[in-house]
Amino acid sequence: AQTVTQSQPEMSVQEAETVTLSCTYDTSENNYYLFWYKQPPSRQMILVIRQEAYKQQNATENRFSVNFQKAAKSFSLKISDSQLGDTAMYFCAFGRNRDDKIIFGKGTRLHILP
Amino acid sequence: DTAVSQTPKYLVTQMGNDKSIKCEQNLGHDTMYWYKQDSKKFLKIMFSYNNKELIINETVPNRFSPKSPDKAHLNLHINSLELGDSAVYFCASSGGARTEAFFGQGTRLTVV
Repeated sequence: AQTVTQSQPEMSVQEAETVTLSCTYDTSENNYYLFWYKQPPSRQMILVIRQEAYKQQNATENRFSVNFQKAAKSFSLKISDSQLGDTAMYFCAFGRNRDDKIIFGKGTRLHILP
Repeated sequence: DTAVSQTPKYLVTQMGNDKSIKCEQNLGHDTMYWYKQDSKKFLKIMFSYNNKELIINETVPNRFSPKSPDKAHLNLHINSLELGDSAVYFCASSGGARTEAFFGQGTRLTVV
C-alpha cells in the first residue's frame, strides 16, 4: 500500500524567507506522479506543483520548486521569497497510474509571518 | 464557470437522517473522486469512479453509497448519519493520476 508522510505538522517563517516542506512516500509502483497542493483558509484545493516520477529534473513553478529524490522516496517543496498569501495547509500527494488513485499526506500548516 | 461544483456547501442534519451531496464537473474528465477531510485536516480518499465505473472503494461504511449517473456527475448518499460523519467532503475530478485533480469547494457536513 502507498503511504505519504509529512513529518512537519506546522511551520512558521518570516515573510521573504525560504522554507522547505518535507514529504516522503512509500511505494512499490514504478509509474506514479507526485504533487503538492495548497489549501488556504478558503478551503479550496489548489495545485502548486507536479512531478513525474520518471523525470529526474526537479519541477519548478516560479517561487516553488521541488527536490525529488526517487531512490530515497523523498519529495520536498521549497518556497522562495515567501509571501503572506502562502499561508495555508500544504499537502503532498501521490498519484498511482494504474488506477488513478491519489492519496494525500496529513498536511503541513504553514504560517508566513509579517 | 465552475469546473467542479458541489451542492450543498453546508449541511446540518440530525443523527439518523439520510442525506445526499451532489457533484458535477464540466471538464470532460473520466475520473471522479470523493474525499473526506476530518477536523485534523486529513484528506482521505473514499471512492473513485472512472467513466461511471467504481474503481476504488476504500474501507468506507456501507452507509456511504456513491452513484454516478454519467461521467460528469458523482453523487454521495449517506444513510443513517452518525456524529462521526461530521467532516468536509470534497469531490474532485481528473484526467488520471498523471494530471491535476480539480476539487470542488467542499461540503461541510455537521451531524447533531
